[in-house]
Amino acid sequence: AQTVTQSQPEMSVQEAETVTLSCTYDTSESDYYLFWYKQPPSRQMILVIRQEAYKQQNATENRFSVNFQKAAKSFSLKISDSQLGDAAMYFCAYRGGSQGNLIFGKGTKLSVKP
Amino acid sequence: SQTIHQWPATLVQPVGSPLSLECTVEGTSNPNLYWYRQAAGRGLQLLFYSVGIGQISSEVPQNLSASRPQDRQFILSSKKLLLSDSGFYLCAWSPKGIYYNSPLHFGNGTRLTVT
Repeated sequence: AQTVTQSQPEMSVQEAETVTLSCTYDTSESDYYLFWYKQPPSRQMILVIRQEAYKQQNATENRFSVNFQKAAKSFSLKISDSQLGDAAMYFCAYRGGSQGNLIFGKGTKLSVKP
Repeated sequence: SQTIHQWPATLVQPVGSPLSLECTVEGTSNPNLYWYRQAAGRGLQLLFYSVGIGQISSEVPQNLSASRPQDRQFILSSKKLLLSDSGFYLCAWSPKGIYYNSPLHFGNGTRLTVT
């Protein structure tokens, strides 16, 4: 069975600085997608970025980018120029070809200090 | 565009009472539908998913059940709530079929407190 692990329950970053959130996963599938979701205090789940396993190029969405290391089964999220609005829970998620649902990590709570 | 509606936003229910949470999706046909639960300090746990009307798969044994009476309607129910059913419940949808390159799109959630 696939698993997703986020080893950092909480992280803190200074406004305008860069922070990296870690995520590792375990799977025997060769084709899959990985996602990062953001959950602000409103608790709405917001998609931040996605990465296909077959693409070697790391995905980027504005200030958000990932470092995808397929062999190491690692999928970290880098937030550049952190803003106060980035404060939220961040969830790493896996979706493979053999099932339709997303498998989530336990999340990392990110605080942004002014 | 597609939208997902989930209600109620908050609910306080006594132990032993019934539960009905509803979720509807607009702007798409025959979506995959999901119910997740988020307990305090934990990630999201998949409870049920459905690939079509009347087709429900349960991921974990529990006090809850799900039904899909219409194509874009997904209902989470319980006959008798337990204290352990408290949590934040999220409904989600994804396009028809298993397109794993598509993210799940979530509703705004229901905060359930069982007293």
